[in-house]
Amino acid sequence: DQQVKQNSPSLSVQEGRISILNCDYTNSMFDYFLWYKKYPAEGPTFLISISSIKDKNEDGRFTVFLNKSAKHLSLHIVPSQPGDSAVYFCATFSNTGKLIFGQGTTLQVKP
Amino acid sequence: KAGVTQTPRYLIKTRGQQVTLSCSPISGHRSVSWYQQTPGQGLQFLFEYFSETQRNKGNFPGRFSGRQFSNSRSEMNVSTLELGDSALYLCASSPEGGGKTQYFGPGTRLLVL
Repeated sequence: DQQVKQNSPSLSVQEGRISILNCDYTNSMFDYFLWYKKYPAEGPTFLISISSIKDKNEDGRFTVFLNKSAKHLSLHIVPSQPGDSAVYFCATFSNTGKLIFGQGTTLQVKP
Repeated sequence: KAGVTQTPRYLIKTRGQQVTLSCSPISGHRSVSWYQQTPGQGLQFLFEYFSETQRNKGNFPGRFSGRQFSNSRSEMNVSTLELGDSALYLCASSPEGGGKTQYFGPGTRLLVL
């Protein structure tokens, strides 16, 4: 049973436009969410996080939005760059402290 | 600071063999977690070690085991390898058990033939 779901396996956007990656979760008790980016042959790298006491967190071109009532979070990348092409994972901590990942969304930014 | 290192980077084994993977966390980090990444299942948590003790365990069979040494380095062992164990095995470290941000190594790509 997937507790964290990324329903879009892939996304393609044009350079300079906005990329929106989505993530849904099932447990309303989850209170901290992270986004990781992964290039081929490398481990995931931490991108941005958000606590459930906030509904938005911004870091440069990256903004994460949290909608607790819908149990949904999204990552916005503006403007998108070709170097952003990677697999993006959303993640959260289970009630036992395990980090749970979504299946990932492959983002392709076309020049 | 050096990042998380994992050895070996690539490994080919045959069914029934056993394998040991190694992870050196970032200096000062005491928590080490292991994950398995496969195309079908995504990233799945294996276990977490903190101060040489297993703090958390995922839903994997007993063939998967690990340990952590006093210098925080960790090893993961898989016995009686199966074809389905072919995956990227990732190690992550964090400054303390339950730390919010984990830093990942490059992974060990295991192929079981």
